[in-house]
Amino acid sequence: IAGITQAPTSQILAAGRRMTLRCTQDMRHNAMYWYRQDLGLGLRLIHYSNTAGTTGKGEVPDGYSVSRANTDDFPLTLASAVPSQTSVYFCASSSHRGNEQFFGPGTRLTVL
Amino acid sequence: AQSVTQLGSHVSVSEGALVLLRCNYSSSVPPYLFWYVQYPNQGLQLLLKYTSAATLVKGINGFEAEFKKSETSFHLTKPSAHMSDAAEYFCAVSSASGAGSYQLTFGKGTKLSVIP
Repeated sequence: IAGITQAPTSQILAAGRRMTLRCTQDMRHNAMYWYRQDLGLGLRLIHYSNTAGTTGKGEVPDGYSVSRANTDDFPLTLASAVPSQTSVYFCASSSHRGNEQFFGPGTRLTVL
Repeated sequence: AQSVTQLGSHVSVSEGALVLLRCNYSSSVPPYLFWYVQYPNQGLQLLLKYTSAATLVKGINGFEAEFKKSETSFHLTKPSAHMSDAAEYFCAVSSASGAGSYQLTFGKGTKLSVIP
């Protein structure tokens, strides 16, 4: 079934540890995105990529990095996790920026 | 800069009653507008979208929304609520932000409860 997969589904992480959240899409979409969802704040864009090989910063990029080596994969890395990064993380993709975005099932991350 | 305001973080309706979820946006250029639904512990699913064609947009599950430029609104409605409509709903606006790129901005969401 075409769509977006995210891994892991959930994770508990000690503060200071490095963590990579994985995202893969099989729709050949050019654009991909990472959001975090926090109660009362809605979804906030962390980083985006318009096409393979390019990335950009969103609303809340600090403490996160991304790479886009190919069309399908868009991993999000927390170099040194902090408790304020406890959140639900959603990956999304679209055929180009401006079109509707398709979302993955999310990763629930807890940083202790 | 663009923004989205959803009036009411929580809306309760009786089963069979009209559903009205409000969304106002600000954008300096003609926008694309979207409504997404999120069921518990799931990702977001597109309900409907406005992309400068017909101002009344029909979506899935009996929902529709009307784009009103003069009011900068894109309210979501459904004539008769079902129990299965209980979820969180997000309005989003996408518009060009220069150099051919776009920014999608979400409202903070409205949680819909349906009372039997």
